[in-house]
Amino acid sequence: DAMVIQNPRYQVTQFGKPVTLSCSQTLNHNVMYWYQQKSSQAPKLLFHYYDKDFNNEADTPDNFQSRRPNTSFCFLDIRSPGLGDAAMYLCATSRDGGVGTQYFGPGTRLLVL
Amino acid sequence: GENVEQHPSTLSVQEGDSAVIKCTYSDSASNYFPWYKQELGKRPQLIIDIRSNVGEKKDQRIAVTLNKTAKHFSLHITETQPEDSAVYFCAARIISGTYKYIFGTGTRLKVLA
Repeated sequence: DAMVIQNPRYQVTQFGKPVTLSCSQTLNHNVMYWYQQKSSQAPKLLFHYYDKDFNNEADTPDNFQSRRPNTSFCFLDIRSPGLGDAAMYLCATSRDGGVGTQYFGPGTRLLVL
Repeated sequence: GENVEQHPSTLSVQEGDSAVIKCTYSDSASNYFPWYKQELGKRPQLIIDIRSNVGEKKDQRIAVTLNKTAKHFSLHITETQPEDSAVYFCAARIISGTYKYIFGTGTRLKVLA
């Protein structure tokens, strides 16, 4: 039944070692989002895709990149993780127009050593 | 820029009492307002939402009100229970070429038994 799936659920990486987080969805939604959430804070939007159109937030560091090879999958690449990048990374989807409800995946918790 | 203010940041109530959380949004084009409940280490879960053409919506113990003129919307939880303890986020959907969501800063609700 899972609608938005994130892998892995926990990721440990070393300072400066590239890491990729993945998100897949079975909802056929055309919008996919990546959020960073640190402890006790609101989810912070990093970027989102409307179909294949990439929309970057102005304050998202260049260290963060994303790919969406098809409707179902979206990846978050962190090129050189720093200690400050340790956080929960949440993927979400929505259907543009219509109800517009946003569905979240379970998140990937990233630890940087 | 677009933002959503949320108050209070923490709220403690006795079991059985009501809890009210308030949000104010800045973008008058916002047309959809979801509320999320997030338990520790888990994903945000949609608990109720309201569209801009509706003033109030209720679902059992939870209700949301919207004042478009004042750009305010509020979450009301009646007969609170210990399992209502969590962090609650409001959000506003804006349209800036595509749909994205601006989150409030969150309210940590503690229901005391």
